[in-house]
Amino acid sequence: NAGVIQTPRHKVTGKGQEATLWCEPISGHSAVFWYRQTIVQGLEFLTYFRNQAPIDDSGMPKERFSAQMPNQSHSTLKIQSTQPQDSAVYLCASSPLGVQNTLYFGAGTRLSVL
Amino acid sequence: AQSVTQPDARVTVSEGASLQLRCKYSYSGTPYLFWYVQYPRQGLQLLLKYYSGDPVVQGVNGFEAEFSKSNSSFHLRKASVHWSDSAVYFCALSRTGGYKVVFGSGTRLLVSP
Repeated sequence: NAGVIQTPRHKVTGKGQEATLWCEPISGHSAVFWYRQTIVQGLEFLTYFRNQAPIDDSGMPKERFSAQMPNQSHSTLKIQSTQPQDSAVYLCASSPLGVQNTLYFGAGTRLSVL
Repeated sequence: AQSVTQPDARVTVSEGASLQLRCKYSYSGTPYLFWYVQYPRQGLQLLLKYYSGDPVVQGVNGFEAEFSKSNSSFHLRKASVHWSDSAVYFCALSRTGGYKVVFGSGTRLLVSP
C-alpha cells in the first residue's frame, strides 16, 4: 500500500498560467478530498468526491478552480490563470467509506505562483 | 456550524517532559474528534480518534487524548516526549453523519534537548 500519491511535489508557475495537480488515492478508498493549506488560513476544505461523483465543491473558488475524478484511481485539481494568492500546499486525502472520516493524506503539492 | 480552536500556536517542551496540547471545539451534537500530526514536507497522519465510549482514547507512539463534553475539549497528552515528536499537531472534528472534516489552526511542537 503506497498511500495517497500526489504529483508533482512542487510546481512553479507564472502568474496567469495553468496548473494541474494530480492525486492517486489509496486503492479501495471511495472518498477523495482536496484541501488547501496556507500559513494564514490553515487547512481549508476545497472539494469532495464519493465513488468518483462530485458531492461538495463548496470550498472551491468558483471561477478558476475545478476538480475532476475521471476514474477511481486518480483525481485532478486544475487552477486556471494562477494568481500569487493561489500559492499554497494542496493536499489530497482519501478515506474508506464506513470508517468515519478517517483521512489518509498525501504529502501534498506545493504550488508557487511567481 | 462546527469549529475547532487550538489556542497555542507554539509549544516548547524539554525532551522527557510531559506534554499537553489543547483543543476546544464548538458543535452542538456529538462530534467525531481527531488528532493528526504533520512532519515537515509530509501530509497529515492520524494519531487517534474518538466518537464514543471511554473518554480517554489511546493513539500511536504513546499519545492519548481525553474528551470532555462539559468543557467541549479534546486535549492531547503524552507522558514523555521525544525529539522526534517535534511536528505540527492538528485537532479536527466532523459531525455525526457528515463527511467534511474541520481542522484547527495547528500547534507547532518543538522538543528541545
